[in-house]
Amino acid sequence: KQEVTQIPAALSVPEGENLVLNCSFTDSAIYNLQWFRQDPGKGLTSLLLIQSSQREQTSGRLNASLDKSSGRSTLYIAASQPGDSATYLCAAHGGSSGKLIFGQGTTLQVKP
Amino acid sequence: DTAVSQTPKYLVTQMGNDKSIKCEQNLGHDTMYWYKQDSKKFLKIMFSYNNKELIINETVPNRFSPKSPDKAHLNLHINSLELGDSAVYFCASSQDAGSYEQYFGPGTRLTVT
Repeated sequence: KQEVTQIPAALSVPEGENLVLNCSFTDSAIYNLQWFRQDPGKGLTSLLLIQSSQREQTSGRLNASLDKSSGRSTLYIAASQPGDSATYLCAAHGGSSGKLIFGQGTTLQVKP
Repeated sequence: DTAVSQTPKYLVTQMGNDKSIKCEQNLGHDTMYWYKQDSKKFLKIMFSYNNKELIINETVPNRFSPKSPDKAHLNLHINSLELGDSAVYFCASSQDAGSYEQYFGPGTRLTVT
């Protein structure tokens, strides 16, 4: 049974800092991994999707990596800004049904 | 140009009532999902439909019944609402079933009193 864990649950950094959010999963036989952002009281915004055959994916200041053998994914945020403050969720695609298994998220606060 | 929309955004009702949440996507996707986010912010899949056929049915009380009248719509009907049903319900869609990127709606916050 796939389980997804995100540590830490909360993170506070000063503006401008580079940071890494961690996601680990128990079953390496994932189809792909998706990172989302959730603002308070809002829906989920898809940030990056890494296919199981890929090692990393980049979008602007965001870079996500995937290491299936170690069961880990990281989301790197460069030059953080207060607008990056949100909860970041990772989710593993569990198979042909499209079922997403979510971690519990890391709440990021970027202080001006 | 809302891609995945849900109505209502907020729903407050009393225990024992029956309520429905509607979801529509204009992305031309074949697959739609319902997720529940509990008070601890944990998201869990409930149902999924592909081309109007149910393909995921997690361990959910049978008071919850999804219905997909066409590929662009997926509704969730809940009978005999209980306090524990209070949560945020998210609809999502993807191009097809499988490992495709999923796009989420804004959520419906259900409060049962």
